[in-house]
Amino acid sequence: DAGVIQSPRHEVTEMGQEVTLRCKPISGHNSLFWYRQTMMRGLELLIYFNNNVPIDDSGMPEDRFSAKMPNASFSTLKIQPSEPRDSAVYFCASSFAGGNNQPQHFGDGTRLSIL
Amino acid sequence: AQSVTQLGSHVSVSEGALVLLRCNYSSSVPPYLFWYVQYPNQGLQLLLKYTTGATLVKGINGFEAEFKKSETSFHLTKPSAHMSDAAEYFCAVSYNFNKFYFGSGTKLNVKP
Repeated sequence: DAGVIQSPRHEVTEMGQEVTLRCKPISGHNSLFWYRQTMMRGLELLIYFNNNVPIDDSGMPEDRFSAKMPNASFSTLKIQPSEPRDSAVYFCASSFAGGNNQPQHFGDGTRLSIL
Repeated sequence: AQSVTQLGSHVSVSEGALVLLRCNYSSSVPPYLFWYVQYPNQGLQLLLKYTTGATLVKGINGFEAEFKKSETSFHLTKPSAHMSDAAEYFCAVSYNFNKFYFGSGTKLNVKP
């Protein structure tokens, strides 16, 4: 079975440019999570969705960050304008929110570098 | 506030030695507990989970963890370390709607 698919795997862009990260969750999963991982701050939850609806976006650092989930099989995380401090690995994870014991399944991440 | 504490950001063991990675949570309500492993340039992979029932949980790659409610702990162990176990390990707890709280991670180094 296909796991969580993220694209691109690597992104290098200049400061000020718009960045769009993409995620395809596991089929049948109805919860989707976006995380950011850095050496300094570890793994941070940015936002998560249940049934395509954003439930908690308290982790989104600033208005420059936005996330959408137009349907059950696709989500995007956008940064506009990007800044060097946004450089990190961004992970998408999905799970089936049928109970509290369901694990999250992670993609391989997008390594983002803002120059 | 919910929190997860992993004692020791780096742990080093010799190949064949016991692996013990510590995880404590702070909550009056027993959570659901998970351990994940992350290899370089990869996402997190589920090692094992505790939901209800038996407090000793067996996972993949010979790892196991024991839930101790009285100690609010969920330590990860493996009797004999292998070189391939070198990775970063994360403890996580969940209470509702699948929102996870992750620990800061422990990097395991295995010496030959």
